[in-house]
Amino acid sequence: AQRVTQPEKLLSVFKGAPVELKCNYSYSGSPELFWYVQYSRQRLQLLLRHISRESIKGFTADLNKGETSFHLKKPFAQEEDSAMYYCAVMAGTASKLTFGTGTRLQVTL
Amino acid sequence: EAGVAQSPRYKIIEKRQSVAFWCNPISGHATLYWYQQILGQGPKLLIQFQNNGVVDDSQLPKDRFSAERLKGVDSTLKIQPAKLEDSAVYLCASSSWKGRRETQYFGPGTRLLVL
Repeated sequence: AQRVTQPEKLLSVFKGAPVELKCNYSYSGSPELFWYVQYSRQRLQLLLRHISRESIKGFTADLNKGETSFHLKKPFAQEEDSAMYYCAVMAGTASKLTFGTGTRLQVTL
Repeated sequence: EAGVAQSPRYKIIEKRQSVAFWCNPISGHATLYWYQQILGQGPKLLIQFQNNGVVDDSQLPKDRFSAERLKGVDSTLKIQPAKLEDSAVYLCASSSWKGRRETQYFGPGTRLLVL
């Protein structure tokens, strides 16, 4: 069964500091990886997916199949980045998303 | 476009009572999902519909949970009877496709507390 591990429940960084939210997955095939974000009092929304290879709000994530990781990175954290971040994997033909337990990013001044 | 709508937003019931949640997906979205998110965990898929047919309900506790999407649009999720461990946020999502890429759009959720 597919599994997603986010080892940190809380990550606290200073504004302007680099951010790395860790995500490891287990799946034997070719999964699609996603990062979802939930800002305070807002609904869960897609931040980025590995296939797009794009930068969204300054965040990037590279799929490392050797390490089965999909860490989310941003070089300079902003206060508005404070939110709950979930890594998710979709595998197979049934479009089933499996989420990690989430990491709360707290950006302080 | 209007987002996924859910109601009620909050519900408090006693154990062994019944409860129902409603979801209205984004117009034109054929695929609809119900997730359960227990405090401190990520969302867990309960059931997936494609139009009015069930694609995946392998994680739905069928002895107490049921869901339907009779006309392929709105959906209801019911719990009967509720247990304490059913306290969670119930999220509805619908999805659209762009080429081979699917994007799921989530509703605001219904927060259920079972006492």
